[in-house]
Amino acid sequence: DTAVSQTPKYLVTQMGNDKSIKCEQNLGHDTMYWYKQDSKKFLKIMFSYNNKELIINETVPNRFSPKSPDKAHLNLHINSLELGDSAVYFCASSRGINEKLFFGSGTQLSVL
Amino acid sequence: LAKTTQPISMDSYEGQEVNITCSHNNIATNDYITWYQQFPSQGPRFIIQGYKTKVTNEVASLFIPADRKSSTLSLPRVSLSDTAVYYCLVGNTGTASKLTFGTGTRLQVTL
Repeated sequence: DTAVSQTPKYLVTQMGNDKSIKCEQNLGHDTMYWYKQDSKKFLKIMFSYNNKELIINETVPNRFSPKSPDKAHLNLHINSLELGDSAVYFCASSRGINEKLFFGSGTQLSVL
Repeated sequence: LAKTTQPISMDSYEGQEVNITCSHNNIATNDYITWYQQFPSQGPRFIIQGYKTKVTNEVASLFIPADRKSSTLSLPRVSLSDTAVYYCLVGNTGTASKLTFGTGTRLQVTL
């Protein structure tokens, strides 16, 4: 009954591959987010969706494409993976924009 | 931009009260102040949120002076399990800059 769940927890892949990370929330929230946490622990927002509509799209390479099939899901697809994409990716949700965030446990992505 | 500044790290002994201050000189009128806690290999977890004066819940207190240019998270009688990174987040609108966390304060609690 995890509130925000993301899969997989670990993802190891080669440069150039395409991979996806899935996120689901069962809190009935309207807003979902993807964050990237690098090795220095700086947690930076990448995307935010509100009611399936993209509302925040930070300066992220267009190799990253979020997809929200419904309010409860926000998946992240990454094309042509690069070494610099190695990080922990966190999914989060909130009841509305700027309400408190509920985070998933993260996906550790390692690009070799 | 309501950029935040926090100490990089703090040390405390178990049982002590810990106060972590966050500076946010450019806070906007409609901005709220929110604190999160992050343990290793986990996502951040909401601790407390406030707008002005003092807010208290079962785990912490948040003190905000009248000018709102800073805020202090107070953790009473910390235990070893409070060892974590604490982030201060200032925001209101759906703008990305206000949803990006700073580097946080790494609190180390020892016996």
